[in-house]
Amino acid sequence: SQQGEEDPQALSIQEGENATMNCSYKTSINNLQWYRQNSGRGLVHLILIRSNEREKHSGRLRVTLDTSKKSSSLLITASRAADTASYFCATALTGANSKLTFGKGITLSVRP
Amino acid sequence: GAVVSQHPSRVICKSGTSVKIECRSLDFQATTMFWYRQFPKQSLMLMATSNEGSKATYEQGVEKDKFLINHASLTLSTLTVTSAHPEDSSFYICSARDSTGRSTSNTGELFFGEGSRLTVL
Repeated sequence: SQQGEEDPQALSIQEGENATMNCSYKTSINNLQWYRQNSGRGLVHLILIRSNEREKHSGRLRVTLDTSKKSSSLLITASRAADTASYFCATALTGANSKLTFGKGITLSVRP
Repeated sequence: GAVVSQHPSRVICKSGTSVKIECRSLDFQATTMFWYRQFPKQSLMLMATSNEGSKATYEQGVEKDKFLINHASLTLSTLTVTSAHPEDSSFYICSARDSTGRSTSNTGELFFGEGSRLTVL
């Protein structure tokens, strides 16, 4: 089964609200990354958090990592209609040049 | 930022023909590129890891004779879907890791192409 599992599978919020998306994984990791995908397009890297980090910020994004619970959350504050997309977490296992394993993704819809 | 160009973005072909998809890193070198397949509203499934100058590493269940991968230079990997059938219709995405050391980690971010939608009639 896949390493990363996001929840909820779909999220619909009003513009201006915050969106919280969660990801759980099963094995020890080197780092966890979040990506965004607009419909029919490639993926765009959002943020990377290492296994020895607990929280990271980038603009309106806040990522947390709890290695004891093997979970991560992505918070988008003050959401905009343009944030509408699918969001994936991906885990890199220990070791150099490790491949990434993607979760199933969360579809976020931000209503204007 | 790093750019990965994938071509073609869309291709329609007849059953039995072969289709080649190119993945180029435009402003960085990539000793490793990855090929994914994505079904509608689903996650990315890693098909194979493309290694410059050596054979690709295929994931379990992926037919290497069906999906030929060539990584002849530090900026180009190609995926050829041979004798395509309708069940091969899918969205194929490549990604590359910057091997020039700009990433702060050996397992740093991947840069993705825009994907190629293959439709086999």
